[in-house]
Parts: sequence; structure tokens; C-alpha cells
Amino acid sequence: DTGVSQDPRHKITKRGQNVTFRCDPISEHNRLYWYRQTLGQGPEFLTYFQNEAQLEKSRLLSDRFSAERPKGSFSTLEIQRTEQGDSAMYLCASSPEESTDTQYFGPGTRLTVL
Amino acid sequence: DQQVKQNSPSLSVQEGRISILNCDYTNSMFDYFLWYKKYPAEGPTFLISISSIKDKNEDGRFTVFLNKSAKHLSLHIVPSQPGDSAVYFCAASGYSGNTPLVFGKGTRLSVIA
Repeated sequence: DTGVSQDPRHKITKRGQNVTFRCDPISEHNRLYWYRQTLGQGPEFLTYFQNEAQLEKSRLLSDRFSAERPKGSFSTLEIQRTEQGDSAMYLCASSPEESTDTQYFGPGTRLTVL
Repeated sequence: DQQVKQNSPSLSVQEGRISILNCDYTNSMFDYFLWYKKYPAEGPTFLISISSIKDKNEDGRFTVFLNKSAKHLSLHIVPSQPGDSAVYFCAASGYSGNTPLVFGKGTRLSVIA
């Protein structure tokens, strides 16, 4: 299967703990996106990379959030000092740089902060 | 400020009939539009897209119509099947795609056998 993969699929943590999620995009996709989806809402953009360069960050991405894509392949999203309001589905998507088409989404990581 | 609006949270349709899902947008810079389908506990799955240079795009049972003057698009599913039951998201982007997508809140479609 060469689709976008995310790990873990589910994460339960206590408030104040740090968590890290991983995303593996489709091979040779230059662009990688992170979105967050809460109940009753559509996905909301957090940040995106072209290769290893982080090109844009949403104002939703507070100082507690950091994302990396060190070798232009997989990406990690870390949340420090988690809060209950961070509970959401975190979605990763990838697309070829040259394409005007689709972003392909992974299955998401469901975060629950107790 | 919702730039992409799906004003119907839910829609029920009988199997075999047409499903019409609507989407409105406010940002005139958007020039590429997509529909995604989402099942519970899964990521969104791409269905169909349309560029602002077109007013219609068709793929099998799915057709998307774009009315730029009204800033409105719609997704038609004909005939509707029970497996189409899911949440449908409208999304938009500027600069001919491949930029962060702006999503609506989604419409839950239930196709009744």
C-alpha cells in the first residue's frame, strides 16, 4: 500500500504531557500538509512543507506546536504541554508539487487529552 | 469567518435517486474546488474536483457544477447508493490548487435503501 500513513492511529494522554505524531507521505510527493479536525468541523489547515522547507504556518499553530520534515520524506508533529482543547483528529496529506490536483489524506491520528 | 459554507448539515435520499450537495464560498481568489468523502475514523477520500475555468466536471456517478458568479458549487450523485452514505466536504484553494485547502463543515448524506 503506497498511500499516506500516520502513526499512531489513536493517542490518549494526560494534560500537560508531550505527544508526537508521524506522517509518511506517498513516495515522491514533495508537499506535505497537516490539518486538524474537531467534532462538527471540517479539517483546518495547520502547516505545510515543500520538501524539508516549512512554507506556511496557520495562526492555529500555537507555540506549543512544532512540525518538522528533516529529510523531505516523513514528517512529525509535536504538541508540548497538551491541553484538553488539543483533542482532535490530526490529519496529514501529501501531493506532488507540480500537480494542480488532489491532496491525498492519511487515516489520521485521534488525540484525546484527559 | 467561514470562507467555505455547507449550509445543510445533513441530507437523506432514497436509493436510486439523485443526491445534491451544495457549497458556497466567499473568497473570489479561490480557483480550484474539490469534494471529499469521509467515513468515520478514516481520513477524507478525494472524489472529484473542478477548476474555475470550467463549469462542470463529471466522473461516473459524480458531477460537480460550478457557478462562479454566484460563488456556488454543487455535487450531484446519480444514482445514489447506500455505500454513498458518508460526510461530504467541499474544499477550495487559490493559485490553481496545491495550496492549503479551506474546508466547509461537511454535509452528512444518508442513502436509504
